[in-house]
Amino acid sequence: AQSVTQLDSHVSVSEGTPVLLRCNYSSSYSPSLFWYVQHPNKGLQLLLKYTSAATLVKGINGFEAEFKKSETSFHLTKPSAHMSDAAEYFCVVSSGSARQLTFGSGTQLTVLP
Amino acid sequence: DAGVIQSPRHEVTEMGQEVTLRCKPISGHDYLFWYRQTMMRGLELLIYFNNNVPIDDSGMPEDRFSAKMPNASFSTLKIQPSEPRDSAVYFCASSLRPTGTGELFFGEGSRLTVL
Repeated sequence: AQSVTQLDSHVSVSEGTPVLLRCNYSSSYSPSLFWYVQHPNKGLQLLLKYTSAATLVKGINGFEAEFKKSETSFHLTKPSAHMSDAAEYFCVVSSGSARQLTFGSGTQLTVLP
Repeated sequence: DAGVIQSPRHEVTEMGQEVTLRCKPISGHDYLFWYRQTMMRGLELLIYFNNNVPIDDSGMPEDRFSAKMPNASFSTLKIQPSEPRDSAVYFCASSLRPTGTGELFFGEGSRLTVL
């Protein structure tokens, strides 16, 4: 069985300040982990993925995430928020023989001017 | 490439009517997925195809829902008869690789409202 928990349903930051979106996962196997972003009225877009290579993963638009097995976490960070980062972010886990994706409930990021 | 194309973008219908949602995947992608997104349940996988063959339809809510993929460039999701609880955004996604790699390309969704 696998599951993913996004610890914050809403995060609000000021433009130019750091972003931290938190994600914890549960998996019986070595997982693959992903972050997707969804802008209003758009489909989801892959930001970055971890698939058992380097634990620090760099994605598009300056985002990165660190896989911490001991903490079962895969938090998403960005050093400096931009207005265009305002969107909903989904943490996703995949593991086991079926390799199905389990999506988190999403974190809505608001960027204040 | 134009990406995954879904139609219609918005559909408003009355309870009991048939609804057909359409999807054109990215050319060359062997995997096609249908997802449903609601506030209450989040993003749910309904069904996915590999090389036009349905592989896992365990997420399809009930017999009112059916999906087909007659060829590599077209898929439909049909609801007959529709009910208000079917109101949601339905996403189609395609992928070059199996589901576990997570590299899905999503369409912009079809927002369905059943009155």
